[in-house]
Amino acid sequence: KNEVEQSPQNLTAQEGEFITINCSYSVGISALHWLQQHPGGGIVSLFMLSSGKKKHGRLIATINIQEKHSSLHITASHPRDSAVYICAAQYNTDKLIFGTGTRLQVFP
Amino acid sequence: AAGVIQSPRHLIKEKRETATLKCYPIPRHDTVYWYQQGPGQDPQFLISFYEKMQSDKGSIPDRFSAQQFSDYHSELNMSSLELGDSALYFCASSSRGGIQYFGAGTRLSVL
Repeated sequence: KNEVEQSPQNLTAQEGEFITINCSYSVGISALHWLQQHPGGGIVSLFMLSSGKKKHGRLIATINIQEKHSSLHITASHPRDSAVYICAAQYNTDKLIFGTGTRLQVFP
Repeated sequence: AAGVIQSPRHLIKEKRETATLKCYPIPRHDTVYWYQQGPGQDPQFLISFYEKMQSDKGSIPDRFSAQQFSDYHSELNMSSLELGDSALYFCASSSRGGIQYFGAGTRLSVL
């Protein structure tokens, strides 16, 4: 059983839709990361958060420490947002434990 | 802005050969992490270094070794390569405890 679970595994949306990806982790962490991986493999760090909410452009990430749950929201989705979004938990030694990823496809 | 540089980007080896992957962290980052992502799998943590000392170790085979040098670049050495070692190898760097920035990865194919 993965320590970090994401849902949904696959997600399709029409351009302009509001998208939510969820992440649950099983034990206490020092921080939660949201990452984006495009076809071809490169990984981009989107957010690192340990409490509350962060916003960058059309992306919003929230975390609820008590419920061990985080969400990534994309407003006004666009086909260029199509990618795999990965939630990763950071523990005291700083290594990341990755979730299984959510494959997002946004159609025009 | 400078990013994490990995070399080579692609590497093809045969079984039982050796391979060396290099990672150059973002300037002033003191921590380097290595991750392995097999086909269709999640990235898995291999090993990390902080200030040139190993700080944590994950599921890294004994055939693999790594080190961080005085200029903070890191090398992952892989010996007696097996078909199952074919994967995308990512390096990430950070300031201690900070956000991890990833390199573009080295795609290793073992034939």
